[in-house]
Amino acid sequence: AQTVTQSQPEMSVQEAETVTLSCTYDTSESNYYLFWYKQPPSRQMILVIRQEAYKQQNATENRFSVNFQKAAKSFSLKISDSQLGDTAMYFCAFRTGTASKLTFGTGTRLQVTL
Amino acid sequence: DSGVTQTPKHLITATGQRVTLRCSPRSGDLSVYWYQQSLDQGLQFLIQYYNGEERAKGNILERFSAQQFPDLHSELNLSSLELGDSALYFCASSETTSGGGRTDTQYFGPGTRLTVL
Repeated sequence: AQTVTQSQPEMSVQEAETVTLSCTYDTSESNYYLFWYKQPPSRQMILVIRQEAYKQQNATENRFSVNFQKAAKSFSLKISDSQLGDTAMYFCAFRTGTASKLTFGTGTRLQVTL
Repeated sequence: DSGVTQTPKHLITATGQRVTLRCSPRSGDLSVYWYQQSLDQGLQFLIQYYNGEERAKGNILERFSAQQFPDLHSELNLSSLELGDSALYFCASSETTSGGGRTDTQYFGPGTRLTVL
């Protein structure tokens, strides 16, 4: 069974600073996909970024980038130039190459302050 | 806005009752997924349909059932409701079901907040 662990329940960062959220996963599969979803106070689940395990290059989406360490089974999210609108719960998620269901971590609550 | 719609937004009901949650996927998406988000269990996968057929089952109780209709909208039926069923229920959709490529990325609806009193 696959597991996803987010060891930081809460984090805080000042506006314009950079913050990194951690995620580790456990799987015996070689083909899989990793995601970060954001859940703001509105409760909507919003896809932030996606990484294919077979790609060595780390994914980036504007101010969001990942550090994917396949051997260490680590998938951290870096948010640069943090904005107040980044305040949200961030969930790391995993799915295998063949199965469709997403397995989520417990989430990290990020607060961006002035 | 992800393009996935869910109704109703909020639902308050009593124990023992039955409710139906509705989901319309993004235009062109064939696959629908249901997830439950509760305080004690976190986000959990319930069930997936692809083009009208059940494709995968997760931690879905026997009191819960779902279906996907020919127009691809889906309904999640929850019966004999208990206090512990109170949660946020998400529907997500994707163009394909698996196999790689961005067409299998899941986009989530706004959720239905179910409160069982």
